Amino acid sequence: AQKITQTQPGMFVQEKEAVTLDCTYDTSDPSYGLFWYKQPSSGEMIFLIYQGSYDQQNATEGRYSLNFQKARKSANLVISASQLGDSAMYFCAMNRIQGAQKLVFGQGTRLTINP
Amino acid sequence: NAGVTQTPKFRVLKTGQSMTLLCAQDMNHEYMYWYRQDPGMGLRLIHYSVGEGTTAKGEVPDGYNVSRLKKQNFLLGLESAAPSQTSVYFCASSRAPGLAGEGEQYFGPGTRLTVT
Repeated sequence: AQKITQTQPGMFVQEKEAVTLDCTYDTSDPSYGLFWYKQPSSGEMIFLIYQGSYDQQNATEGRYSLNFQKARKSANLVISASQLGDSAMYFCAMNRIQGAQKLVFGQGTRLTINP
Repeated sequence: NAGVTQTPKFRVLKTGQSMTLLCAQDMNHEYMYWYRQDPGMGLRLIHYSVGEGTTAKGEVPDGYNVSRLKKQNFLLGLESAAPSQTSVYFCASSRAPGLAGEGEQYFGPGTRLTVT
């Protein structure tokens, strides 16, 4: 079975600072994908970034990067130069690469950006 | 291009009543999913479909049924609602994954269901 653990229920960061959201995972699958989603207070789920287990380089998407450390089974999200609009819940998720993309989610981290 | 839409947005049911949640996508995606999100928790997969006419159980399927008669629609049914089914329900769709497993899921806006 796959499991995602997000140990930070809440984080408070000053605007323009970088922030790292932690995510560790557990799986026996040799191939898997790791995702980060953002859920603002309006409730929708917004895809941020994806990392495949075989990817040699860490994924980046604009201000988002994924710090993938396979040996440690961690997939931390780094947001550079945080903005007030980054305040939201952030979910780490994973799936098997083969077959249907059945996502397993962590419990989330609530990020608050202070002006 | 509306993406993924869900109907209704809000619903209140009494225990024992039935209802159907409708999910529609206009991206020609093969895969569709139903998740539920309870307070303080991440999303959990209820049922999913890898193509028209197919359905399969997810992590928490009990008390729900689904149907995928058309590629663009995925219905979630509650035959006899219980208070434990009070939750926010999200539908999602995706194309078949690439060789590296990439392929984000596109989520609908959610349906907030309360069972009293």
